[in-house]
Amino acid sequence: DADVTQTPRNRITKTGKRIMLECSQTKGHDRMYWYRQDPGLGLRLIYYSFDVKDINKGEISDGYSVSRQAQAKFSLSLESAIPNQTALYFCATSDSGAGGLGDTQYFGPGTRLTVL
Amino acid sequence: EDQVTQSPEALRLQEGESSSLNCSYTVSGLRGLFWYRQDPGKGPEFLFTLYSAGEEKEKERLKATLTKKESFLHITAPKPEDSATYLCAVAPSGSARQLTFGSGTQLTVLP
Repeated sequence: DADVTQTPRNRITKTGKRIMLECSQTKGHDRMYWYRQDPGLGLRLIYYSFDVKDINKGEISDGYSVSRQAQAKFSLSLESAIPNQTALYFCATSDSGAGGLGDTQYFGPGTRLTVL
Repeated sequence: EDQVTQSPEALRLQEGESSSLNCSYTVSGLRGLFWYRQDPGKGPEFLFTLYSAGEEKEKERLKATLTKKESFLHITAPKPEDSATYLCAVAPSGSARQLTFGSGTQLTVLP
């Protein structure tokens, strides 16, 4: 079984709809992240969470919100989807270990979201 | 502002033709540099972490090296299955600062 899973894997929705993307992990890591990937722009950080009570905005948080329901679960919501939120969305996890080891992030398979 | 630039954007090689991918970075203190491989429609797969200038790491046909301003991913005698996008990311100093990714090099190895 995959260590980091994302649901759904593909989603097509309409402008103005509320969408939730879910991420679960069995790696036992404390830290979880949401990224979006657009062609030519690389991965950009939306939100990150170092534990259940610690949630932080990333580079491009406008239009998104998150919920850390448990150590293993981190959800991303688009309150009112718009077409320029069409992208690949990735969840990632990392350990909280010191000495740089905590920086190694492990990614889920991604969700392809299309907003019409 | 932290910046990561990868070159070339795309690279086509014949099977067995060795080459290198470049990752240039600008950060105010480097905690670590990461290489990932990404296949189409999949999430990035971790390859290497490098922490200090002069460090090298190897895995099969791949070798990553690090200087104070750039990292190279050397691919020796590549095979078609090495075709993928290779991503570089840097972790700047400071616990609150997160990874900055480059936009990747798309590698195609022709049989």
